[in-house]
Amino acid sequence: DSGVTQTPKHLITATGQRVTLRCSPRSGDLSVYWYQQSLDQGLQFLIQYYNGEERAKGNILERFSAQQFPDLHSELNLSSLELGDSALYFCASSDGEQVNSPLHFGNGTRLTVT
Amino acid sequence: GEDVEQSLFLSVREGDSSVINCTYTDSSSTYLYWYKQEPGAGLQLLTYIFSNMDMKQDQRLTVLLNKKDKHLSLRIADTQTGDSAIYFCGDAGGYQKVTFGIGTKLQVIP
Repeated sequence: DSGVTQTPKHLITATGQRVTLRCSPRSGDLSVYWYQQSLDQGLQFLIQYYNGEERAKGNILERFSAQQFPDLHSELNLSSLELGDSALYFCASSDGEQVNSPLHFGNGTRLTVT
Repeated sequence: GEDVEQSLFLSVREGDSSVINCTYTDSSSTYLYWYKQEPGAGLQLLTYIFSNMDMKQDQRLTVLLNKKDKHLSLRIADTQTGDSAIYFCGDAGGYQKVTFGIGTKLQVIP
């Protein structure tokens, strides 16, 4: 058990809809990362937060947004969903301080857009 | 930007050694990681190597790093059926952001 909790585990929704994915980081970790895993693209970095502030941005679409709250949990909001957004969305956390501190991953949220 | 490349698939017989290769482009990499993903699960950290090291051994796992060629490999000795999974190479640049390859699916044949 990595200590990172993601909810829900599965989500099925229709095109055009909006969903929110939730992540609770490992106790003590200040940094949260969101990744998207699809069959053809592999594991793509979306965005990173550290102690409530955005720290790094990757291949995140404008239809997607995220935030990290004062209690350090994070939410990833996906709107105007398209079929191609179907993927596994992973959250990971790290302490955000030590250079060699590895990422600890949750088990992911599987999003299916129909 | 950073890029990490891996082969998609590797098949080995139980008891043989497996070697999974990875190349990366980011010259400012500080750490390089190997993660394992079993079906239905998230990524689990296997091992990591600091960018100024050449080799790291951890039980059945050996990591080799050629920094000049930006080439990383993971050798699994005495591969078992439980090693069947997808293996991701990860390259940590600034702020601990890790760029991953597409993952290599290891199939172990009994």
